[in-house]
Amino acid sequence: GAVVSQHPSWVICKSGTSVKIECRSLDFQATTMFWYRQFPKQSLMLMATSNEGSKATYEQGVEKDKFLINHASLTLSTLTVTSAHPEDSSFYICSARLRTGSSYNEQFFGPGTRLTVL
Amino acid sequence: TQLLEQSPQFLSIQEGENLTVYCNSSSVFSSLQWYRQEPGEGPVLLVTVVTGGEVKKLKRLTFQFGDARKDSSLHITAAQPGDTGLYLCAGLPSFSWGKLQFGAGTQVVVTP
Repeated sequence: GAVVSQHPSWVICKSGTSVKIECRSLDFQATTMFWYRQFPKQSLMLMATSNEGSKATYEQGVEKDKFLINHASLTLSTLTVTSAHPEDSSFYICSARLRTGSSYNEQFFGPGTRLTVL
Repeated sequence: TQLLEQSPQFLSIQEGENLTVYCNSSSVFSSLQWYRQEPGEGPVLLVTVVTGGEVKKLKRLTFQFGDARKDSSLHITAAQPGDTGLYLCAGLPSFSWGKLQFGAGTQVVVTP
């Protein structure tokens, strides 16, 4: 149980285009999902917290108009990188927190999406 | 600055040796989780500890949560090449509103 999927697993796009990444909890409902960014050989950096049915909460320094997050259902959150530039190239990972039954606030991570902007 | 200080940053050992990774903080955590991540993949949850002084074992991996819930350690006995990966500790501070605080990670390489 507690499986999270991401799509696509990798994407290459031209500078100026927008890219949408999907994050799905496959066998559980998640009221909260998190989006992280990870650079090579570094830890995860939280970008935003996505709550079902409400606006996302962004971390300091993360542009909300650049990284659009939508959490339309209890099993799906999307991250859209708008007008992507080479500096947006990174490994993007989502995680989902169990809606109920987890008093430990465990998060389960997706496999990540490698974004390369040319 | 990182709330959770993880050490060492890098460990390279021979198969069969033991290793310990540390995670320290001046803050108290409601819970602390350990993850292992392989290149190009997302982190995989290994264990969650919630009680001060708690010790959990997962085959050759032993996890300990400090009495004051400010630190934790991961000990691997008789490491194998399959243990190679990036180990991440992540704690939930009481004030974080659900946001995990990650350590910088420890890259472990086990050579045959």
